[in-house]
Amino acid sequence: KQEVTQIPAALSVPEGENLVLNCSFTDSAIYNLQWFRQDPGKGLTSLLLIQSSQREQTSGRLNASLDKSSGRSTLYIAASQPGDSATYLCAPLGGSGYNKLIFGAGTRLAVHP
Amino acid sequence: GAGVSQSPSNKVTEKGKDVELRCDPISGHTALYWYRQSLGQGLEFLIYFQGNSAPDKSGLPSDRFSAERTGGSVSTLTIQRTQQEDSAVYLCASSRVRVMNQETQYFGPGTRLLVL
Repeated sequence: KQEVTQIPAALSVPEGENLVLNCSFTDSAIYNLQWFRQDPGKGLTSLLLIQSSQREQTSGRLNASLDKSSGRSTLYIAASQPGDSATYLCAPLGGSGYNKLIFGAGTRLAVHP
Repeated sequence: GAGVSQSPSNKVTEKGKDVELRCDPISGHTALYWYRQSLGQGLEFLIYFQGNSAPDKSGLPSDRFSAERTGGSVSTLTIQRTQQEDSAVYLCASSRVRVMNQETQYFGPGTRLLVL
């Protein structure tokens, strides 16, 4: 059974810092891994998808890496801004007969001016 | 184009009543998923549709929960005899499955269900 852990659970930083959000998963037989953002009271916005054969993906100030064999993914946020404040969720897809997303509990990020 | 839509956006009901939640996926998306986000429980999978069939119902918490999909499009999630522990945000997602490792799930805004 896939289990996903995200560290840290919460993070509060001043504007401008570079951030690292960590995700680990127990079943490495995944198809891909998605990072999502969730704003309070809202749905999920897909940020990045890394295919199982890829090592990283970049979108603007976001960079996500994947080490499938060790069951780890990292989301880097460069030059953080107050608008980045949200909960960030990591979710691997598939593996071991699944084709559903298994979510971590998320990292609650607060970027203050 | 239009994203995934869900209705109602909010639902308040009394314990014991039945509720129906609706999901309209992105046009052309063959896969549809229901998830639930409860306070303190995180996001959990409920059921997966490929077309009109549901090959994975493993996340439905009890037989009070059922879902159907018609015409390969709209899906309804029905909760019978609602209980207070059913209070949660119910999220729907869809994807256009071509190659599994490229599958991206797109989420709707959710239905916030409160059972009094």
